Amino acid sequence: KAGVTQTPRYLIKTRGQQVTLSCSPISGHRSVSWYQQTPGQGLQFLFEYFSETQRNKGNFPGRFSGRQFSNSRSEMNVSTLELGDSALYLCASSPQGAGGDSPLHFGNGTRLTVT
Amino acid sequence: SQKIEQNSEALNIQEGKTATLTCNYTNYSPAYLQWYRQDPGRGPVFLLLIRENEKEKRKERLKVTFDTTLKQSLFHITASQPADSATYLCALDMSGSSNTGKLIFGQGTTLQVKP
Repeated sequence: KAGVTQTPRYLIKTRGQQVTLSCSPISGHRSVSWYQQTPGQGLQFLFEYFSETQRNKGNFPGRFSGRQFSNSRSEMNVSTLELGDSALYLCASSPQGAGGDSPLHFGNGTRLTVT
Repeated sequence: SQKIEQNSEALNIQEGKTATLTCNYTNYSPAYLQWYRQDPGRGPVFLLLIRENEKEKRKERLKVTFDTTLKQSLFHITASQPADSATYLCALDMSGSSNTGKLIFGQGTTLQVKP
């Protein structure tokens, strides 16, 4: 089975712009979670989608949003980019949702740099 | 709020020795705890999961313990090798009794195994 695929791998944007990141989960996985990783804060939970519905949300401003399509693919959008949004954005999938005895399968992330 | 603490200082050990990494948590009693490995520029990879009613779990050279009284998990790598050098993350299931997709990660501990 192919793993979790994230595109693009690298992205450079300017302050004030918006960006959309894409994630294709492992085939058959219905849950997609998004995380932001920075050296200072580590892995921070953004949100989780299951069957096109957001089930959980982390403590991020409304500039961060996401959606999931009927084929379980997910996109994450950040509007009005700030310098502090520079980070590695990781997507992870699981069959029914992380937690319990279900591990997450991560992609290799999108490295976003905001200048 | 939930706090997960891992030793932020890098752990340097000699090849062949046992590495022991610590994960402490507060304000929550997770039913499950997971450990992941992350290499530079890549997404975390799932290693082991342990349930609250399990004291210990093993997989090849890896061993995880879970002490719900101390609110602590220990992660051991025996007969360590330079290839074990990576950052190791612990993660707690915050979804309660249902898999609602909220896995919270510690900051990770970087392990360096010297030949």
